[in-house]
Amino acid sequence: DIQMTQFPSSLSASVGDRVTITCRASQSISDYLNWYQQKPGKAPKLLIYAASSLQTGVPSRFNGSISGTDFTLTISSLQPEDFATYSCQQSYITPYTFGQGTKLEIK
Amino acid sequence: HVQLQESGPGLVKPSETLSLTCTVSGGSISSYYWNWIRQPPGKGLEWIGYIYYSGSTNYNPSLKSRVTISVDASKNQLSLKLSSVTAADTAVYYCARKGSAATTGFAYWGQGTLVTVSS
Repeated sequence: DIQMTQFPSSLSASVGDRVTITCRASQSISDYLNWYQQKPGKAPKLLIYAASSLQTGVPSRFNGSISGTDFTLTISSLQPEDFATYSCQQSYITPYTFGQGTKLEIK
Repeated sequence: HVQLQESGPGLVKPSETLSLTCTVSGGSISSYYWNWIRQPPGKGLEWIGYIYYSGSTNYNPSLKSRVTISVDASKNQLSLKLSSVTAADTAVYYCARKGSAATTGFAYWGQGTLVTVSS
């Protein structure tokens, strides 16, 4: 299985901050990397697919990038509704696997 | 607008079989791959497997010996059966589907249903 290592596991930030979350794949997955936002008691919401493509309806402050097997999710200016848990997922090969998540909390 | 809704017992006894149904509305179950994903309380997401509307399946090897996913196109439903459950199978279970052909991520999710394995 492809292991997805996500870091940090938690992060404290303030409204207006720029934050970065990283996901590292244990082998090459091309750009088959997706990012999700999940709020307590809710299903995950797709933010970014194919490493850098913004899902329809997602604000442009969310940005995804790729460097080899490292993938980055950047939120350019945190809004109050962005405090949630973020997870990455590889869709390159089955079994599809997810990172363990990054909990973004208000400082 | 496609909507997915999971249903089934919220409590299952150890060693028994967990059975869930996902009803698809706002679109046909024909075409697309339909997935089951679970999330133990406080933990990360785990992909269980998928079924294509034609019936072909692909399961996570970690669960393959215990999982069966089926589809009933006439009812626009897919089902999940997980046998010989233990407490480790306690989780929120989601059905999900990718978006358009170019969208590699799961764009559509049910609201999830919590299944607790306990005697």
